[in-house]
Amino acid sequence: GAGVSQTPSNKVTEKGKYVELRCDPISGHTALYWYRQSLGQGPEFLIYFQGTGAADDSGLPNDRFFAVRPEGSVSTLKIQRTERGDSAVYLCASSLSGTDTQYFGPGTRLTVL
Amino acid sequence: KNQVEQSPQSLIILEGKNCTLQCNYTVSPFSNLRWYKQDTGRGPVSLTIMTFSENTKSNGRYTATLDADTKQSSLHITASQLSDSASYICVVSSWGSYIPTFGRGTSLIVHP
Repeated sequence: GAGVSQTPSNKVTEKGKYVELRCDPISGHTALYWYRQSLGQGPEFLIYFQGTGAADDSGLPNDRFFAVRPEGSVSTLKIQRTERGDSAVYLCASSLSGTDTQYFGPGTRLTVL
Repeated sequence: KNQVEQSPQSLIILEGKNCTLQCNYTVSPFSNLRWYKQDTGRGPVSLTIMTFSENTKSNGRYTATLDADTKQSSLHITASQLSDSASYICVVSSWGSYIPTFGRGTSLIVHP
């Protein structure tokens, strides 16, 4: 079937605004990850879901960041009161279980002006 | 603290040449090591996965090696093509953790 998809592909917003980034994982994958990637860097872990629950959210930088996965499939990463430092590519990945190969989406490029 | 260091940071080679990328890690206890290829504007795609008992694994023109004693891995690319231009990321997982450790990647540019 289809791979991991993410929408929007690009998001430009103003400082202080609220944004939502969506991830559609591969069907049947129970594990879902969010990462943030800055230019020239590797992906930085944000949060890991196993099913509907956030099994590890230790990578979220502060309480402006929040993610949900209410039905164990689609996930939404929510960022409140965006700051210029939040500008990055946000990657989503899914895997069959938490230890299997992760399949990444194309990412959402977030630009905060 | 688990860390993955990659070298070189960037590399430019001519089409048809071979190259080798390096990865050193301090992740413990070691479970597996993956090499990913990330094209510009795309998400990373897995090339190889190696466990503790594996020394070499190939995927077409890509050959990964692992020395678990020295905690080093390399990715060798043979007869490079323009399409090999990408960032190559080394990712190491530890037993008991679902959160892998990512390197910063090596940016490879293949010139015609």
